[in-house]
Amino acid sequence: AQRVTQPEKLLSVFKGAPVELKCNYSYSGSPELFWYVQYSRQRLQLLLRHISRESIKGFTADLNKGETSFHLKKPFAQEEDSAMYYCALRILTGGGNKLTFGTGTQLKVEL
Amino acid sequence: DTAVSQTPKYLVTQMGNDKSIKCEQNLGHDTMYWYKQDSKKFLKIMFSYNNKELIINETVPNRFSPKSPDKAHLNLHINSLELGDSAVYFCASSEGRDTDTQYFGPGTRLTVL
Repeated sequence: AQRVTQPEKLLSVFKGAPVELKCNYSYSGSPELFWYVQYSRQRLQLLLRHISRESIKGFTADLNKGETSFHLKKPFAQEEDSAMYYCALRILTGGGNKLTFGTGTQLKVEL
Repeated sequence: DTAVSQTPKYLVTQMGNDKSIKCEQNLGHDTMYWYKQDSKKFLKIMFSYNNKELIINETVPNRFSPKSPDKAHLNLHINSLELGDSAVYFCASSEGRDTDTQYFGPGTRLTVL
């Protein structure tokens, strides 16, 4: 069965420091991975997808199939980055589109 | 305008009661979902509907019955509520059953006493 693991429940960094939120997955098929973010009192929203190879709000994530990882990185953390981050694996089943989420990492950026 | 909305935002009820949570999306999407987020923030899919048809049912107790009167609405009815049902329930939608981006509602915090 597919699984997404985010080993850190809480990550606290200082403003301006580099950030790396870890995500590992387990899936026998071809993975599609995403990062979703939930800011305080806001709804969960898509941050980025590995297929797009994009940088959003300074965040990037590279899919490493050898290490089965999709870590989220940002070189310089900003206060507004404080939020809950979820890594998700998408599986296309015969029935449709299923997202399996990790347990999330709370990022706290301190001044 | 709110894209995916849920009512109520908070729901506090006694064990054994029956309750419903409503979800509506105005994005014109074909596919809608219900997720449950437990006290440890673990987010897990429960159901998915595409054009009013159930397409994903993730071994959820049959006390939970989703209903989709039209493709813009997906309601969740829960019978005989148990303490373990306390969680935040999120509704989401996507353009189609194979579309990767899902848009989430604000969540409904259900507390069963």
